[in-house]
Amino acid sequence: DAKTTQPPSMDCAEGRAANLPCNHSTISGNEYVYWYRQIHSQGPQYIIHGLKNNETNEMASLIITEDRKSSTLILPHATLRDTAVYYCIVRVATGANSKLTFGKGITLSVRP
Amino acid sequence: EPEVTQTPSHQVTQMGQEVILRCVPISNHLYFYWYRQILGQKVEFLVSFYNNEISEKSEIFDDQFSVERPDGSNFTLKIRSTKLEDSAMYFCASTGELGNQPQHFGDGTRLSIL
Repeated sequence: DAKTTQPPSMDCAEGRAANLPCNHSTISGNEYVYWYRQIHSQGPQYIIHGLKNNETNEMASLIITEDRKSSTLILPHATLRDTAVYYCIVRVATGANSKLTFGKGITLSVRP
Repeated sequence: EPEVTQTPSHQVTQMGQEVILRCVPISNHLYFYWYRQILGQKVEFLVSFYNNEISEKSEIFDDQFSVERPDGSNFTLKIRSTKLEDSAMYFCASTGELGNQPQHFGDGTRLSIL
């Protein structure tokens, strides 16, 4: 699986959009971008994933650049409960049994 | 919304003892996983399981570890002779048939080896 690079931390004000960047310059054509988050020591929580088109769900939006070498997770109106470690993971989607390789992620701190 | 459930939430065991961690995956899922996270470190893949056999395992998953799906609902991780360094959070995950479906995680079992 391709490697991802994320800044170690960022913060944003409550109610504002949080834009979390991720670089995956060696991504292959059959690899999806997944975002998970982990609040304290709870289990990783799935947020969103995409291949090349932008995606939106009730939690977030995922913007993938046209060359697919980077992406941005957008939390449109961050709340204090969004404070967590966010992981950007690239994963081959040819088989459902392919593992997730977690990096250190980016720690998002939402301030009041 | 269906979820992965894990029991117990916290397990304290003496070194050298056997421990079994239990997971109930989402009911229509077919692929199952165990991950662990040592305090302050990354989440690490241990093993994946499909059709009653191991699909892939990491170098962490040595002979002291085993997995089993003893019935239609449970998925277990057994550690035969626990060591101090096995202390960690253990997460179970499951996913459905399609290749790009996300894995969904339980809230984990905190294993403390004394």
